[in-house]
Amino acid sequence: SAVISQKPSRDICQRGTSLTIQCQVDSQVTMMFWYRQQPGQSLTLIATANQGSEATYESGFVIDKFPISRPNLTFSTLTVSNMSPEDSSIYLCSVDEAGWNYGYTFGSGTRLTVV
Amino acid sequence: AQKITQTQPGMFVQEKEAVTLDCTYDTSDPSYGLFWYKQPSSGEMIFLIYQGSYDQQNATEGRYSLNFQKARKSANLVISASQLGDSAMYFCAMREGTQGGSEKLVFGKGTKLTVNP
Repeated sequence: SAVISQKPSRDICQRGTSLTIQCQVDSQVTMMFWYRQQPGQSLTLIATANQGSEATYESGFVIDKFPISRPNLTFSTLTVSNMSPEDSSIYLCSVDEAGWNYGYTFGSGTRLTVV
Repeated sequence: AQKITQTQPGMFVQEKEAVTLDCTYDTSDPSYGLFWYKQPSSGEMIFLIYQGSYDQQNATEGRYSLNFQKARKSANLVISASQLGDSAMYFCAMREGTQGGSEKLVFGKGTKLTVNP
């Protein structure tokens, strides 16, 4: 299965600033997914990113707050903009490259704390 | 309505015993997939097992098996011979539709499993 390198693994940021999270995949994948996991909660999909097109955002998430880039088939970034303490979460990227009958592969996650 | 329901916020099991983690789902799509993931305290998501809606047999992967009861819309995870390293959060997830269509996963709230020595 694919190997995903996600950076940074953790960060502590000041409110009002922005953080960009990177995911690098060791193989070409069509779709990449970005999830948010708030403390003690489950995973919620933020958006789906296809190479060469605008990301598709889920209800409750907007591009101005979570801009996503997908410049090629192995790389994507998620920016958390104008951060507030409510943005403190684990952010995970994911790909589905192993076929329909297999699980998605996830990056190791970015643990973000906003102070 | 929630698509994935995990009713057990926490479960305890003795080492070497078996444990069942419950998951029920809600979908009107005849084609769907069910997944179980393990999340240790480190935060990574580890894929455990998959069950397709058309699969005739229950899925098994080593010590993990999936008790799939389609009519009841349940997909319970059974972990046999529990080990201390099994202590983690466990998430049930569903993907609806056919390949090339809806690709996203919807997750349940999770169950925290603690294995006692």
